[in-house]
Amino acid sequence: EAGVAQSPRYKIIEKRQSVAFWCNPISGHATLYWYQQILGQGPKLLIQFQNNGVVDDSQLPKDRFSAERLKGVDSTLKIQPAKLEDSAVYLCASSLVGRGAGYTFGSGTRLTVV
Amino acid sequence: DAKTTQPPSMDCAEGRAANLPCNHSTISGNEYVYWYRQIHSQGPQYIIHGLKNNETNEMASLIITEDRKSSTLILPHATLRDTAVYYCIVRPDTGGFKTIFGAGTRLFVKA
Repeated sequence: EAGVAQSPRYKIIEKRQSVAFWCNPISGHATLYWYQQILGQGPKLLIQFQNNGVVDDSQLPKDRFSAERLKGVDSTLKIQPAKLEDSAVYLCASSLVGRGAGYTFGSGTRLTVV
Repeated sequence: DAKTTQPPSMDCAEGRAANLPCNHSTISGNEYVYWYRQIHSQGPQYIIHGLKNNETNEMASLIITEDRKSSTLILPHATLRDTAVYYCIVRPDTGGFKTIFGAGTRLFVKA
């Protein structure tokens, strides 16, 4: 089966600019997650969707981050405006109805804010 | 916060078994133990999970103590390609729960 697709693979922007990341989950996976991974740390959950509804966004900095999952399939994560501390890898994952097993991650987007 | 404790790093000789420990002393009765690994520049990859019985698949074995307060992931014949960060996670295997990652164990497999 096709994996979780993410784009772009790399992105460099200046602080205060905006950026968007795209994720296409595995077909049939109702649950989609966005994680932020800062260098040397484990992934940190930003937001969890069940179909096109938000299940948990308690760790999402809502003053600058936003995410949507239209039609319950693809998702976009946006940062506006970006700060230097947003430099990280942004990982998208999907699973069957929130099950712990069978999480599949994409390769991530590496964001550098200069 | 992660509910597990793992050593920050471990070494293993190529061809030998790698035994990665994880402490989860506050695990609840409905929580499973999951292991993921992350190879450099890739997203985490699911390895194995279990509730209370030992589990084995083509990648690894999972040994869970009888009181379920700790577990060990075993890579029976480690190769250089097993060099990665290994994450131990506990959570129920149903929807509505978060998968929270700690810092994991960085395993170095040496030739």
